[in-house]
Amino acid sequence: EPEVTQTPSHQVTQMGQEVILRCVPISNHLYFYWYRQILGQKVEFLVSFYNNEISEKSEIFDDQFSVERPDGSNFTLKIRSTKLEDSAMYFCASSEEGASEKLFFGSGTQLSVL
Amino acid sequence: DAKTTQPTSMDCAEGRAANLPCNHSTISGNEYVYWYRQIHSQGPQYIIHGLKNNETNEMASLIITEDRKSSTLILPHATLRDTTVYYCIVRAFYGQNFVFGPGTRLSVLP
Repeated sequence: EPEVTQTPSHQVTQMGQEVILRCVPISNHLYFYWYRQILGQKVEFLVSFYNNEISEKSEIFDDQFSVERPDGSNFTLKIRSTKLEDSAMYFCASSEEGASEKLFFGSGTQLSVL
Repeated sequence: DAKTTQPTSMDCAEGRAANLPCNHSTISGNEYVYWYRQIHSQGPQYIIHGLKNNETNEMASLIITEDRKSSTLILPHATLRDTTVYYCIVRAFYGQNFVFGPGTRLSVLP
């Protein structure tokens, strides 16, 4: 069964450093998403992306965050200057176009900011 | 905020059906009901979804009340591996983000 692939599985960085989290969505999917989950808390929406532009973003997704689809397969989340509170599990998801389409989630990248 | 309310936790005996309720009293006509679960810290896993008719797949059944204000996820023969957090989500047109609540922590007891 096709799956969403995320790399790396773990990322450790120093506060203030830039990080790029990478995702390969399912190949025929058109909608892409990033979510995060701080340890012990809910899964939170960050951003959705369609047709090479952001379609929706949450309050969490401030100017420190950006997303990009640099080629036909990758979807990246960049955090420009990481903060301690950015430590979380970050999930990428994708879906086909359609009103009832379900999201497929990757296994996540655990980001630890020291 | 999530548009659904679920019990915080539930227990179920192994081999019995697990019935997980969800209230979505403000659901609108174009919103689907989705169920996901999250095993350990992995990404949420899709289980089932529906609009107004009951649905069944290889994992579970979804029963939606006629007024669509509530639904029940049924795991027909719960196993110990089904012990995890289950999320009920309502979502409208494509591209709208999924809003996760705290979910229901199901414990399947031997």
